[in-house]
Amino acid sequence: GENVEQHPSTLSVQEGDSAVIKCTYSDSASNYFPWYKQELGKRPQLIIDIRSNVGEKKDQRIAVTLNKTAKHFSLHITETQPEDSAVYFCAASRAGAGSYQLTFGKGTKLSVIP
Amino acid sequence: DAGITQSPRYKITETGRQVTLMCHQTWSHSYMFWYRQDLGHGLRLIYYSAAADITDKGEVPDGYVVSRSKTENFPLTLESATRSQTSVYFCASSLGGGTAYNEQFFGPGTRLTVL
Repeated sequence: GENVEQHPSTLSVQEGDSAVIKCTYSDSASNYFPWYKQELGKRPQLIIDIRSNVGEKKDQRIAVTLNKTAKHFSLHITETQPEDSAVYFCAASRAGAGSYQLTFGKGTKLSVIP
Repeated sequence: DAGITQSPRYKITETGRQVTLMCHQTWSHSYMFWYRQDLGHGLRLIYYSAAADITDKGEVPDGYVVSRSKTENFPLTLESATRSQTSVYFCASSLGGGTAYNEQFFGPGTRLTVL
């Protein structure tokens, strides 16, 4: 089955700096890569996703890049703000192959220091 | 529109007791999922369902039972609770269908403590 590795497990940045979280996956057939944000005590919520036919996707201060050859994808947050502090999870899926299971990484706790 | 709800939100039980966690969604989503979240392990899939009366095991199914007689409900039962099943449980749903890539929407979670 799919295995997703996520690094780092914790990340502290100064407000205004950039943050990068990296994930690798093992199943070359995976084609959908979402990122979820989970604030303390809350449910995970999708913040951005990328499909295997796209190399990069941006949404305001967040962006995701995908390297299919190397089987890794990354989340980039620019101009970080205190409200970006949360746990971020990457995931991978073979969406559309009769199954929509997500395999999650173990999460990265991001702390943005004012 | 209630979306996706879970009940109870908090539950304390004893080892050996049967516990059922409820999940209800109002979107008529085809797919529903149960995850457990533990420190250091992220979110791990317990069971999922592609439609009513269709369920399948995920990564960590042992000790759990699911059913899905109606599209909107997906209860998770711990037949004989163990301390290792102390966790936060999240239910999720997604539209599914064809080759579309579908966001999973999570419920608010149930914090279960097994004494």
